[in-house]
Amino acid sequence: DSGVTQTPKHLITATGQRVTLRCSPRSGDLSVYWYQQSLDQGLQFLIQYYNGEERAKGNILERFSAQQFPDLHSELNLSSLELGDSALYFCASSPSLAPNTGELFFGEGSRLTVL
Amino acid sequence: EDQVTQSPEALRLQEGESSSLNCSYTVSGLRGLFWYRQDPGKGPEFLFTLYSAGEEKEKERLKATLTKKESFLHITAPKPEDSATYLCAVGMDSSYKLIFGSGTRLLVRP
Repeated sequence: DSGVTQTPKHLITATGQRVTLRCSPRSGDLSVYWYQQSLDQGLQFLIQYYNGEERAKGNILERFSAQQFPDLHSELNLSSLELGDSALYFCASSPSLAPNTGELFFGEGSRLTVL
Repeated sequence: EDQVTQSPEALRLQEGESSSLNCSYTVSGLRGLFWYRQDPGKGPEFLFTLYSAGEEKEKERLKATLTKKESFLHITAPKPEDSATYLCAVGMDSSYKLIFGSGTRLLVRP
């Protein structure tokens, strides 16, 4: 158990809909990362927050947004969903802004299926 | 463009048959190279960090090495429980994010 909690574990929805994925980082970790994993793309970095502020951005679509709240949990909002958004969405946390050890603690992911 | 490439995509071994997985990278300003293990339906789990060419790290049957252009994950006398996807990632001086390779799916048969 990494200590990172993601909900929901599974989500099935229709095209055009909007969903929110939630992540609670390990106790004490200030950084939260969101990654998307699909079969043909591997793990793709979406966005990083550190202590409530956005600090790094990957190829995150404009239809996607995220935030980190004062209690350090984070939410990833996906809107106007398309079939291609079906993927596993992982949240990871680390204590620092730039984990020099490379050790990110990943949750078990939220599997999104868009029909 | 910063890039991480892993090979082979998939590898089948008999129990006890040693082999190596490759991770080649092209990045500007390597902060570190990291290996993760991912089991089906689970999040990646951290294994090793390598910072500079010539560095080696070991954990049980796994040994990771690093050169200026690539890293190898050597698996000695693997067991079925070593079956997983092994991911390589790089961190860069210019960014806080990690860039992951697409992974090598390892299957060890008894």
